[in-house]
Amino acid sequence: SQKIEQNSEALNIQEGKTATLTCNYTNYSPAYLQWYRQDPGRGPVFLLLIRENEKEKRKERLKVTFDTTLKQSLFHITASQPADSATYLCALEDTDKLIFGTGTRLQVFP
Amino acid sequence: EAGVAQSPRYKIIEKRQSVAFWCNPISGHATLYWYQQILGQGPKLLIQFQNNGVVDDSQLPKDRFSAERLKGVDSTLKIQPAKLEDSAVYLCASSVQGYEQYFGPGTRLTVT
Repeated sequence: SQKIEQNSEALNIQEGKTATLTCNYTNYSPAYLQWYRQDPGRGPVFLLLIRENEKEKRKERLKVTFDTTLKQSLFHITASQPADSATYLCALEDTDKLIFGTGTRLQVFP
Repeated sequence: EAGVAQSPRYKIIEKRQSVAFWCNPISGHATLYWYQQILGQGPKLLIQFQNNGVVDDSQLPKDRFSAERLKGVDSTLKIQPAKLEDSAVYLCASSVQGYEQYFGPGTRLTVT
């Protein structure tokens, strides 16, 4: 079955810097991959979807890349702000359902 | 538009008791999902409905968990009897075409 790896350690960065989060998977490349944001006590919120034939997708300060050779997706937040502090979940498509990673907690400090 | 509604938000029960959770998806969303999220982990799919039919329930512990979706709209998830390891947040989500999913706030279940 598909295995997803996200850095379980929290990522701490300074406001204004670019945050880069990693999502690695072990088996076949999914048809698409999604990123979600989750705040404490709340459900995940959809951010971006990238398909296997797309290399990069952008939305405002967010950028996602998808490298099927490396079996990796990178999620970037440019000009990070304290309000970006949250847990970010990677989710892969697997036979029409999503498999979620454990998430990486991002802390942006002033 | 209104988001996905879930109730209750919190529930504390003793092991071997039963519990039920309710979900009202976004209007017009044909696909409804129930996830279990244990502390420190990502959501794990329990069951997926397309309208009122089950698409995937391969990870639903059917000896104790059951779910139904009435008339293709609201859904309930039941646990009977509960075990200590069922302590988790139960998330309901809905989607239009199975891509981006919209999640409710979740129900935090504590089994003592």
